[in-house]
Amino acid sequence: GAVVSQHPSRVICKSGTSVKIECRSLDFQATTMFWYRQFPKQSLMLMATSNEGSKATYEQGVEKDKFLINHASLTLSTLTVTSAHPEDSSFYICSASPGAFSGNTIYFGEGSWLTVV
Amino acid sequence: GESVGLHLPTLSVQEGDNSIINCAYSNSASDYFIWYKQESGKGPQFIIDIRSNMDKRQGQRVTVLLNKTVKHLSLQIAATQPGDSAVYFCAENYSGAGSYQLTFGKGTKLSVIP
Repeated sequence: GAVVSQHPSRVICKSGTSVKIECRSLDFQATTMFWYRQFPKQSLMLMATSNEGSKATYEQGVEKDKFLINHASLTLSTLTVTSAHPEDSSFYICSASPGAFSGNTIYFGEGSWLTVV
Repeated sequence: GESVGLHLPTLSVQEGDNSIINCAYSNSASDYFIWYKQESGKGPQFIIDIRSNMDKRQGQRVTVLLNKTVKHLSLQIAATQPGDSAVYFCAENYSGAGSYQLTFGKGTKLSVIP
């Protein structure tokens, strides 16, 4: 079945550095992917919508210059956390859908744990 | 129930009993609803979904009920097993927007007592 893969699953970076997280749709093409952030014991919050070939759409309160999103192909979206700070430490999860072909099922990646030290 | 601060509502059930997890959704225009199970450190796992033209849908050991009048969704798990222990989230989507973005509920932690 359709699978969404994220990499890395865990990453530790130093404060002030940048880190990139990849989201891939393994056996389907996705013109749109979504990035969520989840803090411990909280729900998933939508950060942005990644659009293939165009600019991402960010939710209110999410800094687009800090969370850079690139959706360069129909199977890959990347989220780059720039100038990371400890408060950016979180679980980042992406989702995508093959669309009507799959009954509009929405698939999630396994998530990426980011720890900023 | 609603969460307070950072604390997820917790439901504790005895193994073998039935579990009912409730969710209030926010957008009356939402027409697609999904229940996800999330185990510690993992991404959400699809359990069951329902569209707004239905009020009940059954899967294997799970049933979702939708009450659009009061914007309420519930997940029933029959014969709850230790492997069902996880956090459960409901999510809503408005398909008319042409998007697959989801709005998640606060989540409920299910603890199964062996």
